[in-house]
Amino acid sequence: DVKVTQSSRYLVKRTGEKVFLECVQDMDHENMFWYRQDPGLGLRLIYFSYDVKMKEKGDIPEGYSVSREKKERFSLILESASTNQTSMYLCASSLQGSRWKLFFGSGTQLSVL
Amino acid sequence: DQQVKQNSPSLSVQEGRISILNCDYTNSMFDYFLWYKKYPAEGPTFLISISSIKDKNEDGRFTVFLNKSAKHLSLHIVPSQPGDSAVYFCAARSGGSNYKLTFGKGTLLTVNP
Repeated sequence: DVKVTQSSRYLVKRTGEKVFLECVQDMDHENMFWYRQDPGLGLRLIYFSYDVKMKEKGDIPEGYSVSREKKERFSLILESASTNQTSMYLCASSLQGSRWKLFFGSGTQLSVL
Repeated sequence: DQQVKQNSPSLSVQEGRISILNCDYTNSMFDYFLWYKKYPAEGPTFLISISSIKDKNEDGRFTVFLNKSAKHLSLHIVPSQPGDSAVYFCAARSGGSNYKLTFGKGTLLTVNP
């Protein structure tokens, strides 16, 4: 079974802090994604990566950056956290051959105070 | 601009009966559709998909129907079981996109014993 592991289940940070959310997958998937889930808004794509060191903006990249130095790891960075970034963050991965079948991690609930 | 709409935030069904979850879309470029299921405290998991060249796809108790002229798809679960209680997300891929899925807001299905 594919396992997508997000480093923290819950995270509380202060406004202005730099925040790192880590995601690791163990099935050699080429593609990795960061989504955020907000009540009444569904899942929205922040960034994705289809190869090491490659990244593409999703629908809502403002205020975020990403890093993919190794194939199995995809990091989401909040350069200066703000209260409107309080959300559930979901990491996902997929194989190039079936890129629409996403495997999600359990999520990180981030609260920015 | 919400391109994938799940107009029913919740649905309650008796065990053994049929559950029908609906999804409407506005973007004519969408050519591949998926359903994901999400339990509390877990990430979404892939359930079933359908290409726009088909109008039906079946997998066990789950069937997805696509009506392209109405820009409408539905997920049928027969018979419904209490373990099916979850949030169901409809998602769509634009033919012009290689990696991006657009998700609906989700429908909470409750199957009562």
